[in-house]
Amino acid sequence: NAGVMQNPRHLVRRRGQEARLRCSPMKGHSHVYWYRQLPEEGLKFMVYLQKENIIDESGMPKERFSAEFPKEGPSILRIQQVVRGDSAAYFCASSPRQGANTGELFFGEGSRLTVL
Amino acid sequence: ELKVEQNPLFLSMQEGKNYTIYCNYSTTSDRLYWYRQDPGKSLESLFVLLSNGAVKQEGRLMASLDTKARLSTLHITAAVHDLSATYFCAVTTLQGAQKLVFGQGTRLTINP
Repeated sequence: NAGVMQNPRHLVRRRGQEARLRCSPMKGHSHVYWYRQLPEEGLKFMVYLQKENIIDESGMPKERFSAEFPKEGPSILRIQQVVRGDSAAYFCASSPRQGANTGELFFGEGSRLTVL
Repeated sequence: ELKVEQNPLFLSMQEGKNYTIYCNYSTTSDRLYWYRQDPGKSLESLFVLLSNGAVKQEGRLMASLDTKARLSTLHITAAVHDLSATYFCAVTTLQGAQKLVFGQGTRLTINP
């Protein structure tokens, strides 16, 4: 039973380029969360999605960042016009349908973005 | 706004000793989670605490929750080197929403 799968694991971009990070939740999980971790810091919530719906994007920067979770395929976190401050580890987590469990999130290995 | 604070942020200890990591949070919540993270790795779930007075133990680690004091503790007994890692506590903001707010993390180093 595969866990949460993220790719790429490492991504290097130059300032101004676009970064696309992908996340496939655990089998049977329909909720996806994206978190960002800056060096030496804890994880900060970015966005919570269900299939074809953004439930809570209160942690997303207002510009350049977007997320989707289409009916088919992985969830995508997209960062346009990247800047050096976007360099971080981006973690995806998934959970089963709301109310069906303890609320525990299962995390992927993370995608580490470096902006040159 | 829910805030979660851990202390200490850095902890260096000798093998065989006992120590406690503290996690305070600022508003009412009934769910608290402890995670472990090794350098460059993902977060591994350690404990899920769902009610006041909950206590869970796994090996040399024991976690407890006092919702009235808004405090959780992670106690390490007779530490071994393999427990060196960063430990995070996290609290939900809204029941069922599973939007976790994390503490800053406690980097634990256990020396032989």
